[in-house]
Amino acid sequence: NAGVTQTPKFRILKIGQSMTLQCAQDMNHNYMYWYRQDPGMGLKLIYYSVGAGITDKGEVPNGYNVSRSTTEDFPLRLELAAPSQTSVYFCASSYSPPETQYFGPGTRLLVL
Amino acid sequence: AQSVTQLDSQVPVFEEAPVELRCNYSSSVSVYLFWYVQYPNQGLQLLLKYLSGSTLVKGINGFEAEFNKSQTSFHLRKPSVHISDTAEYFCAVSDRVRKLIFGTGTRLQVFP
Repeated sequence: NAGVTQTPKFRILKIGQSMTLQCAQDMNHNYMYWYRQDPGMGLKLIYYSVGAGITDKGEVPNGYNVSRSTTEDFPLRLELAAPSQTSVYFCASSYSPPETQYFGPGTRLLVL
Repeated sequence: AQSVTQLDSQVPVFEEAPVELRCNYSSSVSVYLFWYVQYPNQGLQLLLKYLSGSTLVKGINGFEAEFNKSQTSFHLRKPSVHISDTAEYFCAVSDRVRKLIFGTGTRLQVFP
C-alpha cells in the first residue's frame, strides 16, 4: 500500500514550457485534490475531483488543467509555465469528506 | 465564507516545555476542524480532527486540541515537547461540501 505517490519530485521549467505533474493513489479514494504551497501562505486548493470523470475548480485554478479518467490517477497540467507557478505542489486523496485527506510527498517546481 | 487564522507564524520553545498553537476559524455553518503537521521536505499528515462529540480531541504524538464553539477556536496543545516535534503545523476547516481551507501555518521550533 503506497498511499499517494507523486512524480517528479523536482522539476525546473523555462517560461512557456508545459508539463504534467503525476499523482496516483491506491486506496480506492473517490476524492482527489491538488494544492500549491507557497511560503507563508499555507496551502491553496487548485482543483479537485469527486470521482472519475468529474473535476471542479478550487481557489487558484488559473494556469492549470486536470483530468480524472480513472479512480487512481489525477494528473495536473501546466500549459504555459510562468514564474508565478514556482511552488510546491501536493496531491491528496480522501474516501469522503470530511474524512482525513492523505497527502503525497510533493513536487517542487521552479519556473525560470 | 470560511477562513482560518493561525495567530502565530513562529513559536520557539525549549524541549520538555508545554506549547500551545492557536487557531481561530470563521464559519456560518457547522464545521469540521483539523490539525495537520508537515515535517521538513515532507507532505502533510493528520495530527487530529474534530468532527463531532467531545470537544477535547486527542491525536498522535501526545497532541490534543479543544474545540471552543463560543470562541470559534481550535487550539493545539502538548504538555511536553520533544526536539522531534519541530515542524510546521497547519489548522484547517472543512464543511460538508468537501473543501479544506488551511491557515497559513505555525512553525514550531524546539530548542534543546
